[in-house]
Amino acid sequence: QSVLTQPPSASGTPGQRVTISCSGSNSNIGSNYVYWYQQLPGTAPKLLIYRNNQRPSGVPDRFSGSKSGTSASLAISGLRSEDEAEYYCAAWDDSLSGGVFGGGTKLTVL
Amino acid sequence: QVQLVESGGGVVQPGRSLRLSCAASGFTFSDYAMHWVRQAPGKGLEWVAVIWFDGSKRYYEDSVKGRFTISRDNSKDTLYLHMNSLRAEDTAVYYCAGDPGGYHLDSWGQGTLVTVSS
Repeated sequence: QSVLTQPPSASGTPGQRVTISCSGSNSNIGSNYVYWYQQLPGTAPKLLIYRNNQRPSGVPDRFSGSKSGTSASLAISGLRSEDEAEYYCAAWDDSLSGGVFGGGTKLTVL
Repeated sequence: QVQLVESGGGVVQPGRSLRLSCAASGFTFSDYAMHWVRQAPGKGLEWVAVIWFDGSKRYYEDSVKGRFTISRDNSKDTLYLHMNSLRAEDTAVYYCAGDPGGYHLDSWGQGTLVTVSS
């Protein structure tokens, strides 16, 4: 069982807006930045959002992140077929003195 | 461009040891903390260990404490993971990842597969 909780699956049709939630605790999301990673099938993860809501260069502005208290969310607007992937949230955990990931959310574009 | 290349994976018997390497290029390696993250077949990502940019601090996931050692050689721009007393549950693709600060894994290798089986 992962320290950060994500829904195992999400779906949407092209053009729709989808959100993926990530729930943690005071020792991780509540006191540290949240990061989001995208993993396309058969490839290494890629940083999608850093420091709660910042996009690395090259990441489309269709992707956005937010954080409130001990929860965070990733929103994808204007859904495209190439967005079909696994999405992971992550944060440092001060109590564990280690990194933690969510269990991952598989996004399907219908 | 930033590149991380892992090597050293393979098939190993339970209880044996293995050393993974991660060769870095395209960035100032000594400015980055470095992590190992693993992914068991069909499963999610699991953080394994981190070493500070200068090697002064190291942290480990509980299940690998006392068995795995993360190290780095900044003169060779290389990260290592020494894995002892391997178990079947250590079977995974192991990724190295670069972190400019704050658990910010902005660069990843392609991964190397470790299979622990008799």
